[in-house]
Amino acid sequence: QSALTQPASVSGSPGQSITITCTGTSSDVRDLKYVSWYQQHPEKAPKLIIFDVAKRPSGVSNRFSGSKSGTTASLTISGLQAEDEADYYCSSYTSSSTLVFGGGTKLTVL
Amino acid sequence: EVQLVESGGGLVLPGGSLRLSCAASGFTFSSYWMHWVRQVPGKGLVWLARISGDGSSSRYADSVRGRFSISRDNAKKTLYLQMNSLRVDDTAMYYCARDTWDFAMDVWGRGTTVAVSS
Repeated sequence: QSALTQPASVSGSPGQSITITCTGTSSDVRDLKYVSWYQQHPEKAPKLIIFDVAKRPSGVSNRFSGSKSGTTASLTISGLQAEDEADYYCSSYTSSSTLVFGGGTKLTVL
Repeated sequence: EVQLVESGGGLVLPGGSLRLSCAASGFTFSSYWMHWVRQVPGKGLVWLARISGDGSSSRYADSVRGRFSISRDNAKKTLYLQMNSLRVDDTAMYYCARDTWDFAMDVWGRGTTVAVSS
């Protein structure tokens, strides 16, 4: 159950787009469709922003989008806003019927 | 309002035990799988365990299997995490979360803090 691999940090200017990657293995990301993404602001609980690789829960901005290719899932945030500055985590269901998170990525809006 | 509220955290000695609770409201608790997730301050999220709606099936992360036990009381709409043989590295914020049926977690509590120290 090794953690999924995410970059430690990414940054972008307001209005720009950024992409956060999440790399797993054939036992999780590649062969399963259950990749999720969470946003966490400081001292707050995580918030679900993407599930099933690319679906958005009701109420989540369409500036957030997800995709997957092979063993790598990606979260793209378009039209960056100051409020997007947060930590982002990916998660995947695994072939062992467990779940695994990525190590997290800190997004800085310059 | 759909809500999860954790309780039961606190300071415990290494080797000790603690039981966390998560009270659910605003939804049909028994219809949902539930999860426990923890986070060391300043570090990432770590999935711990999940349990089926009727409590008959559960899964654990390797790091806690055999020491932690997840359970639920649907009549009380409450999820539990029994933690035994606690270690210093179990110190963390512990969250409960509701499953979406697609192995995502769409409702989270605010967490309860566990500190393991002598």
